[in-house]
Parts: sequence; structure tokens; C-alpha cells
Amino acid sequence: KQEVTQIPAALSVPEGENLVLNCSFTDSAIYNLQWFRQDPGKGLTSLLLIQSSQREQTSGRLNASLDKSSGRSTLYIAASQPGDSATYLCAVANDYKLSFGAGTTVTVRA
Amino acid sequence: DVKVTQSSRYLVKRTGEKVFLECVQDMDHENMFWYRQDPGLGLRLIYFSYDVKMKEKGDIPEGYSVSREKKERFSLILESASTNQTSMYLCASSSTTLATQYFGPGTRLTVT
Repeated sequence: KQEVTQIPAALSVPEGENLVLNCSFTDSAIYNLQWFRQDPGKGLTSLLLIQSSQREQTSGRLNASLDKSSGRSTLYIAASQPGDSATYLCAVANDYKLSFGAGTTVTVRA
Repeated sequence: DVKVTQSSRYLVKRTGEKVFLECVQDMDHENMFWYRQDPGLGLRLIYFSYDVKMKEKGDIPEGYSVSREKKERFSLILESASTNQTSMYLCASSSTTLATQYFGPGTRLTVT
């Protein structure tokens, strides 16, 4: 059974600092890994999807890396802003099923 | 833009009631999913549908059933609601099995 862990559970940084969010998974036989953002009381918004054959994926200030062999992914958010405050979830795909981590709750202080 | 809508944002039901949660997507996606999200337990898959009238059980199907009569609509049914089904319910859709999943805004269900 796939286990997905996100550390730390919460993070508070001053505006402008770079954010580094970590995700680890136990079964490396994955098809892809996705990063999502969730605002309080809302649904999930997809940020990035990395295929298992890729090492990284970039979108604007976001960059996600994937090391499948070691079971790790890192999401980098450059020059954080208060609007980046949210919970960030990673999810790994084994066939049609996504296994989610518990998330990292980020607070960016103005 | 993909749009996934859910019939209610908040719902309060009594124990033993039959509850219907509706989800509609507008992108002609083949796959639709129902999850529940609970503090400390994260998101867990309840059911998955890969085509009209086709379904697969997820990790926690007990106490739930689903219906997909039309491609764009996927319903989650609680036959007899219980207090342990109080949760946030999230619907998602994707074009293929391994493509990005797009989520609806969620329905916060309280069973009293």
C-alpha cells in the first residue's frame, strides 16, 4: 500500500522567502506525481503534474522535482507572496488511484 | 477551463436519511471520482467511474453507492446516513486515467 508523507506539516515564512515543500512515497512504481493547492474550505487546484519519466516540471514561480528511485518530490515556490498561503498536497498515481499526503500548510507573512 | 460543480456547498442531514451528492463536469471527461477528506486522514477515494454505468470501488466504499447514468454526471449516495459520514466530500474528473484530476469545490456534509 502506497504511503505518502509530507514534511513539515506547517510552515510560516516572511514574504519574499523561497518555499521548499517535501513529499516522500514508499512505492516507487508510480505513473506520475501531482501537486495541488487547497484553500480553506475549498476544493483542490492542480499546480503541476510530473510524469514518472520526468525529473522536473516548472510553471511560473513553481518548480517541482521528482526522484522516483528515492521516492521523493520537492515543490519550490520562488519569492513567496501572502497569496501563496494555503495547504499544499502531493499525490502519487499507481494505476488510476491517487494516494495523497496529509499536506503542508503554508503561511506567508506580509 | 474545466469546471466541476457540486450540487451543494453545505448540507445537514439526519441519521438514517438517504443522501444524494451530485457532481457535474463540463469537459467530456471519461473518469470521475468521489473522495472524502477528514482531518488527520487526508483524502480517501470512495468510488471511481471510468465510463457511463461503470464503477470501481475505492479504498472506503462501505456505506456508499454511486450512479453514473450520463457521462457528465456522477452521484454519490448514502443509503442511510450515519454520524461517521460527516465529512467534506470532493468530486473530481479527468480526461484519462492518469491525467490531471480537476476537483469541485466540495460539499461539507454534517449528519446529526
